[in-house]
Amino acid sequence: AQKVTQAQTEISVVEKEDVTLDCVYETRDTTYYLFWYKQPPSGELVFLIRRNSFDEQNEISGRYSWNFQKSTSSFNFTITASQVVDSAVYFCALSGVSNFGNEKLTFGTGTRLTIIP
Amino acid sequence: ETGVTQTPRHLVMGMTNKKSLKCEQHLGHNAMYWYKQSAKKPLELMFVYSLEERVENNSVPSRFSPECPNSSHLFLHLHTLQPEDSALYLCASSQDLASGGTNTGELFFGEGSRLTVL
Repeated sequence: AQKVTQAQTEISVVEKEDVTLDCVYETRDTTYYLFWYKQPPSGELVFLIRRNSFDEQNEISGRYSWNFQKSTSSFNFTITASQVVDSAVYFCALSGVSNFGNEKLTFGTGTRLTIIP
Repeated sequence: ETGVTQTPRHLVMGMTNKKSLKCEQHLGHNAMYWYKQSAKKPLELMFVYSLEERVENNSVPSRFSPECPNSSHLFLHLHTLQPEDSALYLCASSQDLASGGTNTGELFFGEGSRLTVL
């Protein structure tokens, strides 16, 4: 069975501070994928990143960076120089490959991030 | 036009009512999903349709009835719901790997339908 744990329910930081959102996962699959999605107040989940289990290189995209560590089963997400527009609920998700080819995502409970101006 | 459109955005219904949620995707995808988002719980996958056939039904009560008439439209028919069914219902779409498409694993979500059952 797959499981994703986001232990931080809510985080508040002052604008321009850096913030890290934690994600720990469990899976028996040898091949799997990890995702982060952002859910702004409008409701729709917005895809941020997908990493496969064979690629442990950290990734940076602008102010966003991701730290994937297989040894600790973690896929943490850091926002540097946070901005008010970063306020949202962030979901970490995990998938294997289902038998028909589509990837079925297991989501964490989400972390609500509030950036204080 | 947004990629995935859901209507209505808000719905209030009594336990004896029958209503439907609608989802339409304009992305040319061939797989569509219904997720339920309740407070302080992980998103729950309810149904998956691939190439208009239901391929996943995660032990969802029969008071929820999905319908996928074509690859662009997905409905969730609701009847005799319970107050605990109140939640945000999210529709998503993706390109099915089995069809040979290139799938980044990305699901494209709609903004959701906020359902309140009285």
